[in-house]
Amino acid sequence: DQQVKQNSPSLSVQEGRISILNCDYTNSMFDYFLWYKKYPAEGPTFLISISSIKDKNEDGRFTVFLNKSAKHLSLHIVPSQPGDSAVYFCAASASTHAGKSTFGDGTTLTVKP
Amino acid sequence: DSGVTQTPKHLITATGQRVTLRCSPRSGDLSVYWYQQSLDQGLQFLIQYYNGEERAKGNILERFSAQQFPDLHSELNLSSLELGDSALYFCASSSRGGGASKGYTFGSGTRLTVV
Repeated sequence: DQQVKQNSPSLSVQEGRISILNCDYTNSMFDYFLWYKKYPAEGPTFLISISSIKDKNEDGRFTVFLNKSAKHLSLHIVPSQPGDSAVYFCAASASTHAGKSTFGDGTTLTVKP
Repeated sequence: DSGVTQTPKHLITATGQRVTLRCSPRSGDLSVYWYQQSLDQGLQFLIQYYNGEERAKGNILERFSAQQFPDLHSELNLSSLELGDSALYFCASSSRGGGASKGYTFGSGTRLTVV
């Protein structure tokens, strides 16, 4: 049973436009949600997180939205830049579970110049 | 450089063998996590240590074991290796209580190839 799902393996957008990456989860115990970015031959890098008590968190060009009732979160990147091309992983954790994060399979974002 | 050091970067070994992967966490971080990423899949949680103690366990095979030493570095031991164990193995660290909300710092991984 995959508790964190990223249903789109890939996404392609034009430079300057908005990129929207989606993630669904099933476990109601999750109270933190995180996004990581991964370049080839590197480990994932933490990007942004959101607590379950919020519905939006913004950091520069990156905004994460959380819809608890739908068990859905999304990452918006505006404007998208070619350097944003990477694999994006959604992750979720329950603070009652020692901080262990459960990851989705990732979405490969390609931003075309 | 993320501050998390994993060695070796690449490892090629035969089936049935045993290998040890090493991880030095970021300075000051007490928690170490091990994840496995098989081809084009997500990161599967293996095990977590906090200040030398096992804190959480995922779907880690009995052939795999890990430990965290007093200097906080960690080792992941994989034995009786099978072809299906070929994967990227990532180590990550976090500060106390920080992993859930502030994310992990990952190393660049060890790519294990079993032939």
